[in-house]
Amino acid sequence: DQQVKQNSPSLSVQEGRISILNCDYTNSMFDYFLWYKKYPAEGPTFLISISSIKDKNEDGRFTVFLNKSAKHLSLHIVPSQPGDSAVYFCAASSGNTPLVFGKGTRLSVIA
Amino acid sequence: DTEVTQTPKHLVMGMTNKKSLKCEQHMGHRAMYWYKQKAKKPPELMFVYSYEKLSINESVPSRFSPECPNSSLLNLHLHALQPEDSALYLCASSPEGEIEKLFFGSGTQLSVL
Repeated sequence: DQQVKQNSPSLSVQEGRISILNCDYTNSMFDYFLWYKKYPAEGPTFLISISSIKDKNEDGRFTVFLNKSAKHLSLHIVPSQPGDSAVYFCAASSGNTPLVFGKGTRLSVIA
Repeated sequence: DTEVTQTPKHLVMGMTNKKSLKCEQHMGHRAMYWYKQKAKKPPELMFVYSYEKLSINESVPSRFSPECPNSSLLNLHLHALQPEDSALYLCASSPEGEIEKLFFGSGTQLSVL
């Protein structure tokens, strides 16, 4: 049973527009959420995180929103750039346990 | 130095071969991990080392044998693998007390013939 779900395998967005990547989770014990970005032939790189005590965290063009009641988080990228084209993984953890990853969403930003 | 270095980047091996994957980090992280990732799938945790001791083994077959010689190095010894073991093997490390903040290497793309 998947504890972290990314239901959209892919997403295409025009350059300059907003990209919204979604993630749902089932384990109510998760208290820390992260987004990783992965280019082909490279390992995932940490992008942004949010603690369960917050509902929003912003870092430049990237904002993560957390809705605990809905067990849902989203990553907003605005404006989207061609270099943002990658696979984005949502991940979650509870306490001091290893991360649980979603299946990823492939974002394509079209110039 | 904020890198996790993995060697080799690519490896092709037969089912009777013995090979090793290597991982190195000099960030002072005391937790190191091996993940396996198949195409279009999320990374799957295999092993966790904490302070050079194996703390988590996610029921990985014995043909995969991890080793942590010191706090900077992590090896994965491979023997008698199967074609279905072909995957990207990722090493990661995390700072003390921040187990969720993984720093990944670029991975070793393994093909088992």
